[in-house]
Amino acid sequence: QVQLVESGGGAVQAGRSLRLSCAASGFSFSSSDMHWVRQPPGKGLEWVAVISFDGSNKYYADSVKGRFTSFRDNSENTLHLQMDSLRTDDTGVYYCAKESGSHFLDYWGRGTLVTVSS
Amino acid sequence: VLTQSPATLSLSPGEGASLSCRASQRVSRYLAWYQQKPGQAPRLLIFDSSKRATGIPARFSGSGSGTDFTLTISSLEPEDFAIYYCQQRSNWPPEYSFGQGTKLEIK
Repeated sequence: QVQLVESGGGAVQAGRSLRLSCAASGFSFSSSDMHWVRQPPGKGLEWVAVISFDGSNKYYADSVKGRFTSFRDNSENTLHLQMDSLRTDDTGVYYCAKESGSHFLDYWGRGTLVTVSS
Repeated sequence: VLTQSPATLSLSPGEGASLSCRASQRVSRYLAWYQQKPGQAPRLLIFDSSKRATGIPARFSGSGSGTDFTLTISSLEPEDFAIYYCQQRSNWPPEYSFGQGTKLEIK
């Protein structure tokens, strides 16, 4: 079955960097566009980034553009999110999710918590 | 921008629920609904405005087009009390967005 397992979260000071990873299994990872979605504590969902199946196209929310970079290793079935210049409002649970063919997210990981302190 | 209403809906098990999602601009049919329970990841309920995802009970249905979409739960079960989000993708650039959520709580 489809599994997405995020890792790499933790506590970090503002201005520092963190790299998240998402290990995928149970589906054709190299054929799937993948997303990052985050959720601040007690708040709603915020889309962060999408990367195309081959890594050639990447799009980001305005709130992270220029600071976050998504990349993938299809040989390892792994998705990454490099987060630089972190801010306190980047705090939240970060989910990786698989996109279906019709621009919705059909499978989600359980998330990894990122806490950015001042 | 997707605007969901109401922010909170208080109902009893067995009652029907109607949740609204309104887009600021006309969107394609690519509108989805998700359910999220505390401490859990979101779960896909409805895609392409009206198609149920695998394993989703028939009491969940989606409708709408253009700028107005609705998620309907015909008869609430105890496990349906959760937060519901709508989501869409803009044509270009391909940016995705979620509504702010509707909390469905037990009355």
